[in-house]
Amino acid sequence: GQNIDQPTEMTATEGAIVQINCTYQTSGFNGLFWYQQHAGEAPTFLSYNVLDGLEEKGRFSSFLSRSKGYSYLLLKELQMKDSASYLCAVRSSGGYQKVTFGTGTKLQVIP
Amino acid sequence: EADIYQTPRYLVIGTGKKITLECSQTMGHDKMYWYQQDPGMELHLIHYSYGVNSTEKGDLSSESTVSRIRTEHFPLTLESARPSHTSQYLCASSPLDFNSPLHFGNGTRLTVT
Repeated sequence: GQNIDQPTEMTATEGAIVQINCTYQTSGFNGLFWYQQHAGEAPTFLSYNVLDGLEEKGRFSSFLSRSKGYSYLLLKELQMKDSASYLCAVRSSGGYQKVTFGTGTKLQVIP
Repeated sequence: EADIYQTPRYLVIGTGKKITLECSQTMGHDKMYWYQQDPGMELHLIHYSYGVNSTEKGDLSSESTVSRIRTEHFPLTLESARPSHTSQYLCASSPLDFNSPLHFGNGTRLTVT
């Protein structure tokens, strides 16, 4: 099975940097995704990590350490529109490669 | 970018009715998924499919059923809706390529009265 942990809520100031952590325990690992979900909307894909290290995409970066079962999403130059839930999701390495989501971190960006 | 469509967007229905939530994708993705999400809560996988004629139950037990007769179509059916089925249902798809993300439809918000 899989167990994914994220902080429930975070607050950060517009223009600042925020790091959202995710730890996971899985019987087989085949990649980690970060999604953004605004209230009432579908999740949208942000980043994917399968190897250790940092992946950068504009204002968003994601880091993975497979040996520690740890990832983080880094958001720079925060904007009010970044207020959303951020979901960490792990893909298993079994035949069907299920994707399991964490509970999500609700980020509030304040002026 | 995958195109994935869910209908209806909103559905209010009485207890005991049979309903089918539609999900179609136009990208030829082999894998399709149904997730259930209550407001402010996490997504729970209830069904997934690896391809035509392949369906599996997810991590959360659900009274719904699914079928995959065509690659592009993955409908979810509730034979007898109950108030406990009130939730948002999100359909997603992805290619077989293991490092491809899931692409989500806009969801169906179901309310059973």
